[in-house]
Amino acid sequence: GQSLEQPSEVTAVEGAIVQINCTYQTSGFYGLSWYQQHDGGAPTFLSYNALDGLEETGRFSSFLSRSDSYGYLLLQELQMKDSASYFCAVEETGGFKTIFGAGTRLFVKA
Amino acid sequence: DAGVIQSPRHEVTEMGQEVTLRCKPISGHDYLFWYRQTMMRGLELLIYFNNNVPIDDSGMPEDRFSAKMPNASFSTLKIQPSEPRDSAVYFCASSLRSSSGNTIYFGEGSWLTVV
Repeated sequence: GQSLEQPSEVTAVEGAIVQINCTYQTSGFYGLSWYQQHDGGAPTFLSYNALDGLEETGRFSSFLSRSDSYGYLLLQELQMKDSASYFCAVEETGGFKTIFGAGTRLFVKA
Repeated sequence: DAGVIQSPRHEVTEMGQEVTLRCKPISGHDYLFWYRQTMMRGLELLIYFNNNVPIDDSGMPEDRFSAKMPNASFSTLKIQPSEPRDSAVYFCASSLRSSSGNTIYFGEGSWLTVV
């Protein structure tokens, strides 16, 4: 089966940098995605990695190590509006089934 | 561009009643997903379709749940009979497979309460 692990909660101050880790186990790995969800809203796509290395999109970066079954989301210059839940999601080979982790709740403090 | 459209946005129903959730995916997308989100279980994949064909329904919790996709622009998730433990937010999502990955676009969700 599949499993994803990420911390349940992270707290950081405005302007800081925070890293949210994700480890996964899956029978057939294709790629790792990150999604953001604000309270009462829908998950929205942030980043995707299929190959090892770092992908950068503005203040957000995502890293993948396929050999370690590990990835992380890096948020820089934190803003209050970044307070939300962040989900890693594994896309599997074959039918491209996408399974989400339990989510990490990020609290940004002033 | 219109995103994924779900209806109803909110529904309160009595235990034992039939519930039908509807979804219109983004035009041109070839994958459609139904997810359920609760505090206890997180975001669970119930079923997904590729080109209107169900690929994996292993996440459908019980026979009370069924999903259809009669055409590329419409899908339904039906619960019959509904139970209080079915209370959750049900998200429909769609994506277009490409070489750069599988960005999934979510609808706003259908908030279901079964009393």
